[in-house]
Amino acid sequence: AQTVTQSQPEMSVQEAETVTLSCTYDTSENNYYLFWYKQPPSRQMILVIRQEAYKQQNATENRFSVNFQKAAKSFSLKISDSQLGDTAMYFCAFMKQKGSQGNLIFGKGTKLSVKP
Amino acid sequence: DSGVTQTPKHLITATGQRVTLRCSPRSGDLSVYWYQQSLDQGLQFLIQYYNGEERAKGNILERFSAQQFPDLHSELNLSSLELGDSALYFCASSSKVGTGGIGYGYTFGSGTRLTVV
Repeated sequence: AQTVTQSQPEMSVQEAETVTLSCTYDTSENNYYLFWYKQPPSRQMILVIRQEAYKQQNATENRFSVNFQKAAKSFSLKISDSQLGDTAMYFCAFMKQKGSQGNLIFGKGTKLSVKP
Repeated sequence: DSGVTQTPKHLITATGQRVTLRCSPRSGDLSVYWYQQSLDQGLQFLIQYYNGEERAKGNILERFSAQQFPDLHSELNLSSLELGDSALYFCASSSKVGTGGIGYGYTFGSGTRLTVV
């Protein structure tokens, strides 16, 4: 069974600084997808960024980028130029590619606070 | 607005009661997923439906059941409620399974906050 581990329950960063959230996962699959979701106080789950395991190039979405290390089964999220609106819970998630089931497996989350 | 609609947003009920949570997926999405988010367990996958058929089951209790109707909306039924069932229940939808659509992740609704007293 696949598992996702986020080892940092809470983190804080100063506004405009850079912060990296860690995520590791365990799987025997070779093809899969990885995601970072953001859950602000509004509770809405918002997709931040996605990575396909067969792509070596790290995904980037504006201020958000990932460091995907397939061999190490590591998928960290870097937030540059942190903004107050980035304050939220961040969840790392895994989904295997093959098969008819698309089941997202989540880590327990990292609570990020951006301080002014 | 994500396009996934969940009702009601809040629900307070007593132990032993039964409630129904409703979800309308994003237009064009055939798959619906239910998740339970509690403080100590994080986001737990409950069940998935695809075009009216059950596709996968996660950690769903026997007291819970779900279905997806021909118009693709889904309902999650929770019965014999216990205090420990208090949680945020999310519905999510995704594009057609098998076409690569699931690789773009799920679109989540805003959740139903269930409080059992």
